Amino acid sequence: DARVTQTPRHKVTEMGQEVTMRCQPILGHNTVFWYRQTMMQGLELLAYFRNRAPLDDSGMPKDRFSAEMPDATLATLKIQPSEPRDSAVYFCASGTGQQNTGELFFGEGSRLTVL
Amino acid sequence: DAKTTQPPSMDCAEGRAANLPCNHSTISGNEYVYWYRQIHSQGPQYIIHGLKNNETNEMASLIITEDRKSSTLILPHATLRDTAVYYCIVKGFGNEKLTFGTGTRLTIIP
Repeated sequence: DARVTQTPRHKVTEMGQEVTMRCQPILGHNTVFWYRQTMMQGLELLAYFRNRAPLDDSGMPKDRFSAEMPDATLATLKIQPSEPRDSAVYFCASGTGQQNTGELFFGEGSRLTVL
Repeated sequence: DAKTTQPPSMDCAEGRAANLPCNHSTISGNEYVYWYRQIHSQGPQYIIHGLKNNETNEMASLIITEDRKSSTLILPHATLRDTAVYYCIVKGFGNEKLTFGTGTRLTIIP
């Protein structure tokens, strides 16, 4: 059963530390999305890639966040330095990029707590 | 993408049909209506989508009004596992991004 895999599932860290979250998209999918969910803001799109190229990262705080796809099987979201306001659940999603379906498959999320 | 309006919460008795409304009065001709749901602590899950015709799959039915300004997601026989937040999203053809609103929190009551 193909699914999006995210690691770590839970992360507790101290302010100022670097945090890296990883995502393995479904094999064959060519679009990858990073979302952040908080109680106050709901689900927000941070960045997305198509064929490993970043297409839109306008939702991402540029000074401390970075997103990359080193290869087709791995997407990373890095926060350096982390701050308490970054505490949230971060979801990765992948899709086939087919325009008329648009179905995205989401991972289980990485719950980040910054103390 | 057009904005959507959903009631913040709804209850439905187990075994009954759950009808979740969505208003998208500013939808344009090439925009699709998508429904996703998010069960507590899980990632969002695709349910169904449509352009102007009614659609049905193994999970739900989507009824879109003729003027396309509103739609209804129908879960025909709701179970406790259908308790979730349901998101109605309007997305243009060619736009790969999903923009989530606040959704409807559906509670299925035993």
